[in-house]
Amino acid sequence: DAKTTQPPSMDCAEGRAANLPCNHSTISGNEYVYWYRQIHSQGPQYIIHGLKNNETNEMASLIITEDRKSSTLILPHATLRDTAVYYCIVRDNAGNNRKLIWGLGTSLAVNP
Amino acid sequence: NAGVMQNPRHLVRRRGQEARLRCSPMKGHSHVYWYRQLPEEGLKFMVYLQKENIIDESGMPKERFSAEFPKEGPSILRIQQVVRGDSAAYFCASSVFPLGGDGTEAFFGQGTRLTVV
Repeated sequence: DAKTTQPPSMDCAEGRAANLPCNHSTISGNEYVYWYRQIHSQGPQYIIHGLKNNETNEMASLIITEDRKSSTLILPHATLRDTAVYYCIVRDNAGNNRKLIWGLGTSLAVNP
Repeated sequence: NAGVMQNPRHLVRRRGQEARLRCSPMKGHSHVYWYRQLPEEGLKFMVYLQKENIIDESGMPKERFSAEFPKEGPSILRIQQVVRGDSAAYFCASSVFPLGGDGTEAFFGQGTRLTVV
């Protein structure tokens, strides 16, 4: 089962910031939070990941709460091409498993 | 540096035939992961392989499915005697180090869409 909870869908106006929330209340102390997105019919695209501190790259910013139970992905100036399903993911720590557990994600629609 | 390459992009098989899906990881990546995605669903983990070894196959169906990642050549996901329920998109990802614990990201291919008729 997915270890994260995300709203199923969100809308955002083109040019505005898109803030996508994620709850991961059972995250372990050494688990990273990953964000990927999937544009229709394409392979998932890596966006960003973080452990404790806020992170920023050319695509997005990741804000992680101090207790690490939730995070927010920020697309600072959303464009139509950012329309996609966004997945917040943590790793399954059971045994030697190294797999990422994917939920249903948030379907982001960027509107003109 | 080419990304993760999967082929074929689309594969049609009749019930009972075999399907072979290939994945060439990014250069320098020795860890490969296979995922399956049904329409309107998220990705489901199938198997994690490191060169010549299966590390975790907990997501693989017990029958008809197998995977390998030989010393030379691409990783292969093999589905024998396909059934209509096998129709899905199959994605392969690769990483430099084992995924997750050390913050290593995985990069995905564009997937193979298998249709069983």
